[in-house]
Amino acid sequence: AQKITQTQPGMFVQEKEAVTLDCTYDTSDPSYGLFWYKQPSSGEMIFLIYQGSYDQQNATEGRYSLNFQKARKSANLVISASQLGDSAMYFCAMGAGANNLFFGTGTRLTVIP
Amino acid sequence: GAVVSQHPSWVICKSGTSVKIECRSLDFQATTMFWYRQFPKQSLMLMATSNEGSKATYEQGVEKDKFLINHASLTLSTLTVTSAHPEDSSFYICSAREGNKPYEQYFGPGTRLTVT
Repeated sequence: AQKITQTQPGMFVQEKEAVTLDCTYDTSDPSYGLFWYKQPSSGEMIFLIYQGSYDQQNATEGRYSLNFQKARKSANLVISASQLGDSAMYFCAMGAGANNLFFGTGTRLTVIP
Repeated sequence: GAVVSQHPSWVICKSGTSVKIECRSLDFQATTMFWYRQFPKQSLMLMATSNEGSKATYEQGVEKDKFLINHASLTLSTLTVTSAHPEDSSFYICSAREGNKPYEQYFGPGTRLTVT
C-alpha cells in the first residue's frame, strides 16, 4: 500500500524568502513517481514538479526544486524567492502500481508581504 | 497541450435529483480517467478509475450505483451522481492519463457540486 504524509498543515514565509514543504512517503513498489501540485482557491490542480524513483538527480522546475532523499523516503518541495501568488494549498502525491495518484493531506502556504 | 476540461464548473441541484459531470481530454486520447472527490479543507480521494470501453473500478466505500461512471470514448468520461443528497456536496475533479504513460496525469479544473 502507498502512503503519503505531509506533517505541516500550514506554513508562513516572508516574500522573497525560500520555504521547504515536507513530504514523506511509503511504498513497496520499486518504481514510483513523486509529484507536487499547487491548488489555489479556484480549485484547479496545477502540476509543479515530478521526481522518478530512479532519477539520480533532484528535479528542478524554475523556482521549484524537489529534495529527494530516497533512503529517508522523503520528497520535500523547496520554493525559492517566494511570491505573493505562491499562497495556496500544496499537495504531495505518489504514483505507483495501479497508476492512480495518492495524495497527502496538503500544506497551506501563506506568503507574507 | 494535455488539456482536460470539466463541465459544468459548478452546479446546484435539489436533493433527490441526478447530476452529470463531464470530463474531456481536449488534445489527447485518454485511455484512463480518474475521478477524485475533495471535501472542504481535505485532500483528494480517488473515487474510481475508468478505462475506455470497460466498467469503472470503484474504490472501497464508493457506491457504484450512486456514482455512475461512463467512459464511452477516448476523450470523454462522465460521472453521474444519482439521487443526490446534501452529503454529496463536494468538489469533484477528474484526471486523464494519456496512453500508457504511467505517471502523467492531467487534471481538469474541477466541478463544485452543491446539493440543497
